[in-house]
Amino acid sequence: DIQMTQSPSTLSASVGDRVTITCRASQDISNWLAWYQQKPGKAPKLLIYKASSLESGVPSRFSGSGSGTELTLTISSLQPDDFATYYCQQYNSFQGTFGPGTKVEIK
Amino acid sequence: EVQLVESGGGLVQPGGSLRLSCAASGFTFSSYWMHWVRQAPGKGLVWVSCINSDGSSTNYADSVKGRFTIARDNAKNTLYLQMNSLRAEDTAVYYCTREKYSSTWQLAGAFDYWGQGTLATVSS
Repeated sequence: DIQMTQSPSTLSASVGDRVTITCRASQDISNWLAWYQQKPGKAPKLLIYKASSLESGVPSRFSGSGSGTELTLTISSLQPDDFATYYCQQYNSFQGTFGPGTKVEIK
Repeated sequence: EVQLVESGGGLVQPGGSLRLSCAASGFTFSSYWMHWVRQAPGKGLVWVSCINSDGSSTNYADSVKGRFTIARDNAKNTLYLQMNSLRAEDTAVYYCTREKYSSTWQLAGAFDYWGQGTLATVSS
């Protein structure tokens, strides 16, 4: 089974900061990676799919890059609504695996 | 408007069973792969199971294989998760999700719509 790790686990940042979250896979997942944002008590929201494709309606300050075993989510200028937990998710052989999450907190 | 509405959660004793349902509306349910994802209280997301569009193919996480069964009724636009031999570690909010198609109508391996979740609590 493919294992996913994320770093950092917690990130303290200020409004306007550029933020990068890294997701690492235990084996090559090509570009089969999605990123989600989750706020407390709410269902996750899809941000990025196929590593770098922006989901409809998601602000362009969110971007994804990378392929293989190391992929990243970047928020170009952090906004107050962006403080949340972010998860990466791989999909291989009709099985999904989520990363453990990265909590983005207010500095 | 796409809607996914889960139901069927509740309190059950270890070893017991629950059947979760997910009523879908606002899209052609029979065209989409569907998945269940769960989240234990205060913990991360865990993929549980998937089913293809016509119900002929299913897959499960190792942690639930042999105990959980995913099914769908395309005539009723409803997804199910039958959970047997429940354990305390199965306690979680269970989300019904839809797998996205890309612009070229290829499966994208990502979940674009989620229900609000239903809580299953396994405890004596």
